Amino acid sequence: RKEVEQDPGPFNVPEGATVAFNCTYSNSASQSFFWYRQDCRKEPKLLMSVYSSGNEDGRFTAQLNRASQYISLLIRDSKLSDSATYLCVVNSPGTYKYIFGTGTRLKVLA
Amino acid sequence: NAGVTQTPKFRILKIGQSMTLQCAQDMNHNYMYWYRQDPGMGLKLIYYSVGAGITDKGEVPNGYNVSRSTTEDFPLRLELAAPSQTSVYFCASCVSNQPQHFGDGTRLSIL
Repeated sequence: RKEVEQDPGPFNVPEGATVAFNCTYSNSASQSFFWYRQDCRKEPKLLMSVYSSGNEDGRFTAQLNRASQYISLLIRDSKLSDSATYLCVVNSPGTYKYIFGTGTRLKVLA
Repeated sequence: NAGVTQTPKFRILKIGQSMTLQCAQDMNHNYMYWYRQDPGMGLKLIYYSVGAGITDKGEVPNGYNVSRSTTEDFPLRLELAAPSQTSVYFCASCVSNQPQHFGDGTRLSIL
């Protein structure tokens, strides 16, 4: 099992749709979770951290499910500008390293 | 604040040449990282550092070297460039268990 797994997509959704991505992680001792956004040929940029109780930032909601070892990202009212690759990042317990998923591609269609 | 600054942004090398990719951060972060990203692929960790004078290998360290003489700087050295090292290189920094901040990347082609 990979340390961090994401569905590569692509997810093609119409503008205004709600879309959700999941990311599973293998190490139950992981404590830090993040979602990043990466545009084509650009650097990853932090979208939001994921907290135990779940958190929301505008149209974006992140959830953590420790029992099933996954995090999720929900995007409401999708915009064309949301088209990007979304990376799930989890810390590697006992090390100073972070494990990046390979990303889920989202394309929002007009 | 500039954040994480990488230079150069683009470079073309011939096989066997050497070069240093520069990375500097002004956020007083202890942890710094070098990743490479091949087209359509995920990030792979090359080397990382948890403080000045301390470096460690990541997933794909062969063909690279690093040093960390100051908190701010974390250069990545390619000694004998090979076509397999054609990639986009990202430097990142953070404090413990906090999100990483990335530089703009260096696009490197080796011909």
